[in-house]
Amino acid sequence: DAGVTQSPTHLIKTRGQQVTLRCSPKSGHDTVSWYQQALGQGPQFIFQYYEEEERQRGNFPDRFSGHQFPNYSSELNVNALLLGDSALYLCASSLSDSYGYTFGSGTRLTVV
Amino acid sequence: GDSVTQMEGPVTLSEEAFLTINCTYTATGYPSLFWYVQYPGEGLQLLLKATKADDKGSNKGFEATYRKETTSFHLEKGSVQVSDSAVYFCALSGGGNNRKLIWGLGTSLAVNP
Repeated sequence: DAGVTQSPTHLIKTRGQQVTLRCSPKSGHDTVSWYQQALGQGPQFIFQYYEEEERQRGNFPDRFSGHQFPNYSSELNVNALLLGDSALYLCASSLSDSYGYTFGSGTRLTVV
Repeated sequence: GDSVTQMEGPVTLSEEAFLTINCTYTATGYPSLFWYVQYPGEGLQLLLKATKADDKGSNKGFEATYRKETTSFHLEKGSVQVSDSAVYFCALSGGGNNRKLIWGLGTSLAVNP
């Protein structure tokens, strides 16, 4: 049974560009959360999607947006990239009423 | 707002030593508390959790007790192994409709043979 799959594993973008990160949740999970983890820091909550809607959002600007598809997979979009957006982006899936989060290995984004 | 504070690392121990990683929290309401572990090159894995006061979470020889009176959730293991070398994160979730996890900064543990 596959866990959470994220793609791509690594990518490099230029300031001002846009990026899309993808996440396939663990089989049977219907909720997807996204986190940003800067080097040497704990993860910071970006948002959570359930039933194709944003259910909760952290303190991130509108440049960060997302989407959940009917098959529960999700995308994270970041527009107008800044150097400070360089981080590991983590996707976590769960059942809507459970704290059993399963994390993917993350996407390492470098903005140059 | 809610927050988690955990002891700074790195922590270096010899194999079979006793481990304590301190974690304290600030939260309104009745949060659930978690310890996650991140092995080198891998994603975050749930190590243990506790959802109410006085609960003890345990897994793989690790334990932590939810202490509401001291707002703490310290991680302990009686005898560490080299394979326990990793970064350990304490986290909380506010509960109810507040599903986001709030994390500490992480504590790096290195166990030497």
